[in-house]
Order: sequence, then structure tokens, then C-alpha cells
Amino acid sequence: KNQVEQSPQSLIILEGKNCTLQCNYTVSPFSNLRWYKQDTGRGPVSLTIMTFSENTKSNGRYTATLDADTKQSSLHITASQLSDSASYICVVSGEEYGNKLVFGAGTILRVKS
Amino acid sequence: GAGVSQSPSNKVTEKGKDVELRCDPISGHTALYWYRQSLGQGLEFLIYFQGNSAPDKSGLPSDRFSAERTGGSVSTLTIQRTQQEDSAVYLCASSPRQGYEQYFGPGTRLTVT
Repeated sequence: KNQVEQSPQSLIILEGKNCTLQCNYTVSPFSNLRWYKQDTGRGPVSLTIMTFSENTKSNGRYTATLDADTKQSSLHITASQLSDSASYICVVSGEEYGNKLVFGAGTILRVKS
Repeated sequence: GAGVSQSPSNKVTEKGKDVELRCDPISGHTALYWYRQSLGQGLEFLIYFQGNSAPDKSGLPSDRFSAERTGGSVSTLTIQRTQQEDSAVYLCASSPRQGYEQYFGPGTRLTVT
């Protein structure tokens, strides 16, 4: 069973539009949740990291939210740009897995002009 | 400064051959991780090094997989008698210490024919 589920699997939006990506997890107890951006052919790059006590974290046009009660997180991208086209990966760390990172399968975002 | 580098970037090998994948972590990072990313799947943890020792090898899928790290720096992941299901992108990450932010390399795309 996948401990980190992401939706949608893929998404196409027009440049300038906003979008929201979802992440549900079952990892418990929970240590932190991260969102990574992975460009094609590159390694993942960290966007945000949130601990249990944080509800929201922003990084430029990226805003992540966390609801630790419902075990849900979202990544909101505002005023999308062509360079936002990438895979966005939700990653959860928890004591159950020795604080190893548990990765979602990612959401592939394509921004078109 | 220089990030995590991996070589080769692409490797095509015949089934049954052995392959070696190399990772050069960020200088001074004591923790090093190997992951595997299969098409459409989340990253899968393989092995974690702290210095030259590997306290967590739990992710290695079979005894055909091994890894070593020398001098607390460069790491090599070796896959013996490769199988087609070994085809994936192998990513390396390093961090100053376990639990700190992980910085990923660009990965090695392995194709077993």
C-alpha cells in the first residue's frame, strides 16, 4: 500500500493560471512533509518543508499547506510559468520508517502557452 | 558550490552484466543516500551511509545490489547480473547529517536490454 498518495497524476494548465496539487499520507507518527520539484532528467529539488506544527509555508509562487489531523497537504502554484512544468513530489518522513523519506509518485504538471 | 554529481548519466547494458554507478556527494556531507526511481513510481529508498558505514541497507532489493563508500565521500552502487527489472533512474542524495535536507544528484538512467 502506498503510504503517500498524490493527485492528480498529471495536469495541464495555461500559463498564468493557478493550480493546486494534493497529497494524502498515512505515515504515522509524522515528522515532516516536503514538496520537491523534479525537472525532466534532473534530481528532485526541495521547495518546502513543514513540521507537524506548521500549517503553511511559502516559497515564492509556491505555497504548501498541511493539515496533520486529516493527513493532507496541498501545493498551490500561483501565476504559473512555463518553467513550472515538472513533476512535483510529496515526501513524508515518519518514525514508523526510521525517519526515512517516503515518496509519492508525483504529479506531472505541464504549463502551456 | 558544486552539487551532487553522478556518473554515468546514462548506461545501457545487456542482461546479466554487472554495472557500477558512481556518486560524488557535496563536500563535507556525511550522510549519503541511494534511491531508485522506476517509471511512474515514487522514489524507492535503497541504502543510507553515515560516513563509510551503512547503518541502513534495508532497501536493497536483492543480494545482487551492493554499495560502498570510501573516504567518507564517493559512493559506488554495484548491480551484479543485471535484470531487465533493474532498469530505472538511480538517484543519489547527500546531506550534512541524517535528518537534514537532502540534495539530489541528476541521476543515472540505467537501461538493461
